[in-house]
Amino acid sequence: DGGITQSPKYLFRKEGQNVTLSCEQNLNHDAMYWYRQDPGQGLRLIYYSQIVNDFQKGDIAEGYSVSREKKESFPLTVTSAQKNPTAFYLCASSIQGIQQPQHFGDGTRLSIL
Amino acid sequence: QQQVKQSPQSLIVQKGGISIINCAYENTAFDYFPWYQQFPGKGPALLIAIRPDVSEKKEGRFTISFNKSAKQFSLHIMDSQPGDSATYFCAASSTTSGTYKYIFGTGTRLKVLA
Repeated sequence: DGGITQSPKYLFRKEGQNVTLSCEQNLNHDAMYWYRQDPGQGLRLIYYSQIVNDFQKGDIAEGYSVSREKKESFPLTVTSAQKNPTAFYLCASSIQGIQQPQHFGDGTRLSIL
Repeated sequence: QQQVKQSPQSLIVQKGGISIINCAYENTAFDYFPWYQQFPGKGPALLIAIRPDVSEKKEGRFTISFNKSAKQFSLHIMDSQPGDSATYFCAASSTTSGTYKYIFGTGTRLKVLA
């Protein structure tokens, strides 16, 4: 079955450490997205990519970085510059060029040790 | 202009009752309005979506009502069941923006009592 796989499901970060969250999709979607979800704040867009080797900042990109070297992969790095990284991170994808719903992975919960 | 305001924040409904969640937007360029259902520890899943050329769309027990002039849309869950207990998000996007960015509401936590 096609879908989005996020790993790990739970991740712990030490102060000053960078961590990378994995997102892989086999839906053949062009566009991929990273959202951060905090209680009571809904989903906020961190970065998005409409095509391989191209990505754009979302509303809360500071302290995060991404790469898009392959169509199926869109990893997110939470850097030490992100001072409040504890959150639930969701990866999504959609077909580009046609308005389609975004498909989401099951998320990674990041906590600070 | 980019915000989507969702209410209520939480909702408790008796089994068999009607759950109603409302969203309002300001950006008239929005032309696609999906609703997502999210269970704890899972990603949101598309429930139902509407475009502004229709005023209502129904899929099973779920109905979206859309009021273009008021820039509001709502989700109605008929005959609510305990299995419907989840967080519901509305969203909006513009097919003409070229970015395919979705603007999400802040979510409504629904609890259906057995």
